[in-house]
Parts: sequence; structure tokens; C-alpha cells
Amino acid sequence: KAGVTQTPRYLIKTRGQQVTLSCSPISGHRSVSWYQQTPGQGLQFLFEYFSETQRNKGNFPGRFSGRQFSNSRSEMNVSTLELGDSALYLCASSLDWENSYEQYFGPGTRLTVT
Amino acid sequence: LAKTTQPISMDSYEGQEVNITCSHNNIATNDYITWYQQFPSQGPRFIIQGYKTKVTNEVASLFIPADRKSSTLSLPRVSLSDTAVYYCLVPRASGSARQLTFGSGTQLTVLP
Repeated sequence: KAGVTQTPRYLIKTRGQQVTLSCSPISGHRSVSWYQQTPGQGLQFLFEYFSETQRNKGNFPGRFSGRQFSNSRSEMNVSTLELGDSALYLCASSLDWENSYEQYFGPGTRLTVT
Repeated sequence: LAKTTQPISMDSYEGQEVNITCSHNNIATNDYITWYQQFPSQGPRFIIQGYKTKVTNEVASLFIPADRKSSTLSLPRVSLSDTAVYYCLVPRASGSARQLTFGSGTQLTVLP
């Protein structure tokens, strides 16, 4: 079974621009979560989607948004990029969201904002 | 939201048992505690999850006391390849929402 894939793997953007990251979950997994990882803040939860609905959201500004499609693929968007948005963005998929946190992570997208 | 606390780093020797504890409160009532392992330049990898008492699989054991305010990951007979960062994941109740909160991570270094 193919694992979680994320595209692109690396991205360089300029302050003020916007960016869209993509995540394809493991086949059959319906829940997708997004995390931001930085050396200073560690792994921080962004949001979680199940059946095209955002189920939970972390403490990030409205510039961070996401969506999930009917095939469970997910995208996240960051608008008006700031230098502090430079991070590794990780996507994780799981069978469901209610009680199981056996998540499978992708390799991440390394975003650099200059 | 309350804080999740893990030791920043631990050193061990090959063949020893390693125990890493994660302290947390305000865990959502019906949710599991999960542990992950992360190597450099990779996403975290699921190790084990549990709700209470003790859970064991082929790679680790997880001990959770009755009050569920902490959990301890136990790695038996570690090897050099177990050098990695270990995270606990605790679902936190915040009003009607639930946030998936990772601990700050414990860098385990296994020495020969």
C-alpha cells in the first residue's frame, strides 16, 4: 500500500505571497491532519479533516486554511506569507478521527519564506 | 490549554531498557494517548497507543496510570537505530473542540 504523499517536497516563497500544499492519504483513510514543525515550537496541530469537513482546528491565524476533497485528498493554503511561516508542514492520515490516533505521516513539505 | 511535558533528552547504552515519561492534564475523557518516533528529515512514525493500564506490542510497552495524567513509553533493549526523537500525542479537550497536541519531544541517543 502506498504511503502518504505530499507535494511539493520543497518550496521557496517570498513574504506576502500565498502557497498551497497538497496531501494524498493512504488509500482507504478518510481522516487527514496537518501539522507545522519548527525547531522552536515543535509539532503544532493545524487542523483535521474527515469526510470533507474540518473537525478540529489548532491555534493558528486565519491565514492558514485547508480543505478536503471527496477522494480524501487534502490541501492547505497559507496566504500573505510571513518569515515565521518557514517550517516543515506535515500531513498525516488515519482511518477515522474519533478515537484512534494511529496516524501515518508523509515526508513533509519544507517551506522557506524569504 | 495545559502543557504536555517530556524530558528534552536522554542517553542510553545498547541493550538497556529506556523509559520516557510524558506528563499531561486536561486529556479528553475518551481519547487515547499515542507515541511516535521521528528520525531526521522524516515524518513521525506511530509506535503505540493506549487508553489505560498497560499496552504492549512488538516494539514497545506503554504504561498509563489510572488518573491518565501521564504515560510512560518503555523501549526494551534499545539499539543504535533507536536513536530518534520520541513524541507523545495527547488529545486535549478545549470546550467542544479537540486539539491533537504533541509533546515537545525527547531526543533519545543510544550509545555503543
